[in-house]
Amino acid sequence: GQQVMQIPQYQHVQEGEDFTTYCNSSTTLSNIQWYKQRPGGHPVFLIQLVKSGEVKKQKRLTFQFGEAKKNSSLHITATQTTDVGTYFCAGKIQGAQKLVFGQGTRLTINP
Amino acid sequence: KAGVTQTPRYLIKTRGQQVTLSCSPISGHRSVSWYQQTPGQGLQFLFEYFSETQRNKGNFPGRFSGRQFSNSRSEMNVSTLELGDSALYLCASSFAVFRGSYEQYFGPGTRLTVT
Repeated sequence: GQQVMQIPQYQHVQEGEDFTTYCNSSTTLSNIQWYKQRPGGHPVFLIQLVKSGEVKKQKRLTFQFGEAKKNSSLHITATQTTDVGTYFCAGKIQGAQKLVFGQGTRLTINP
Repeated sequence: KAGVTQTPRYLIKTRGQQVTLSCSPISGHRSVSWYQQTPGQGLQFLFEYFSETQRNKGNFPGRFSGRQFSNSRSEMNVSTLELGDSALYLCASSFAVFRGSYEQYFGPGTRLTVT
């Protein structure tokens, strides 16, 4: 079936280190969204990427959408303890009307 | 603008029982999606409703069903509960799903425990 694979599943870093999570789809995506879920919370929308090769920044967060619109990444520069949580990508499969979520990357940070 | 609300927030049921969960979307949002979240399986899509019609369905057994009312509020029902149904059930609303921006706004979830 249509899948969106996300790696790594877990990532533990020292505060101040960078962090990257990757998302790969078996099929072309119309767009991709990223969500953050804090421990004990619910997913919160971060951003949506639509164009091939698109790059968007939100302060220390950089989001990229691949040229083939099959992969995406989220990079956090100089992590802070407030970045702790699980980051999900969600891709809209081209031609379909539903979002497919990746399994998430759980980020923990050593202060 | 009020966020997505879900009731109840916590629920404990026994095997074989049935349960109904409720979701009120953000005012003006017509699409409501339901997800099951478990530690091992992540976010699993259950179904999505738009204008009272189910538009998409995930790979869950027929024990899981849902509906949407004319005011966009949605309910999901799980019959003949199994231990494996213990999970956080999340509802998400969005303005539109057809095209353009349709980011999903999640509710706080209903934590269902089946004993």
